[in-house]
Amino acid sequence: DAGVIQSPRHEVTEMGQEVTLRCKPISGHNSLFWYRQTMMRGLELLIYFNNNVPIDDSGMPEDRFSAKMPNASFSTLKIQPSEPRDSAVYFCASSFGENYGYTFGSGTRLTVV
Amino acid sequence: EDKVVQSPLSLVVHEGDTVTLNCSYEVTNFRSLLWYKQEKKAPTFLFMLTSSGIEKKSGRLSSILDKKELFSILNITATQTGDSAIYLCAVPSYNQGGKLIFGQGTELSVKP
Repeated sequence: DAGVIQSPRHEVTEMGQEVTLRCKPISGHNSLFWYRQTMMRGLELLIYFNNNVPIDDSGMPEDRFSAKMPNASFSTLKIQPSEPRDSAVYFCASSFGENYGYTFGSGTRLTVV
Repeated sequence: EDKVVQSPLSLVVHEGDTVTLNCSYEVTNFRSLLWYKQEKKAPTFLFMLTSSGIEKKSGRLSSILDKKELFSILNITATQTGDSAIYLCAVPSYNQGGKLIFGQGTELSVKP
C-alpha cells in the first residue's frame, strides 16, 4: 500500500498565482481530509469529504480556497489568488469508516512569496 | 464547542528520563482518542483508545484513557533522542461531522 500520496512535495509561488495541491487517498478509504499546519495555529482542518461529498468546509479560510473530490481516488485543494499568509504545510489524510486511525500524506510545503 | 487541550506545550528532558504527556478533552458523543507523533513530516499514528483503563503499549510508549475524567496520558520510558517530536492528541468530533479535533501538541526535546 503506497499510503496517502500528495503532490507536489514543495511549491514556491508568487503572490497572486493560482496553486493546486493534489491528493490520492488510500484505496478503499471513504473519508478524505485537508489540513493546514502552521507554527502559530498548529493543525487546522480545512475541509473533509465523505464518499466524495464535502461534509464540512467550515475550516476553509475564505473564498480564495476551494476543494474538489471528483472521484474516490483523487482530490484537489486550490488557492486562487495565493497570498503570503497561505504559506504552510498542507496535509491530506484519509480514513475508512469507524477506523479513525487516520493516515496522513507527506504534506505539501507551500511558500508564497 | 468540542475541544482538546494538551499539556505541557513543550518539554525538555535528558535521555533515559520518563515523560508523561497529558491530553484532556470535551467532546460530545465521544468514541475514541488518538495519539500521533510528528517529526519533520506527516503525523504518524501511535494509538487509538476507546475504553477506559485499558493500557495500550508499543515498546517504550504506552497510553491510557480515563473517560470519567476526560483525559488521556501518553508515557514514554527510557527516552531517546529519537523520541524528540511533537506529540499530538486528537478526538473525532461527531458534533462536527466526525472530523478530528487536534490539541496544540506537546513538543518534546530529548537531550543526549
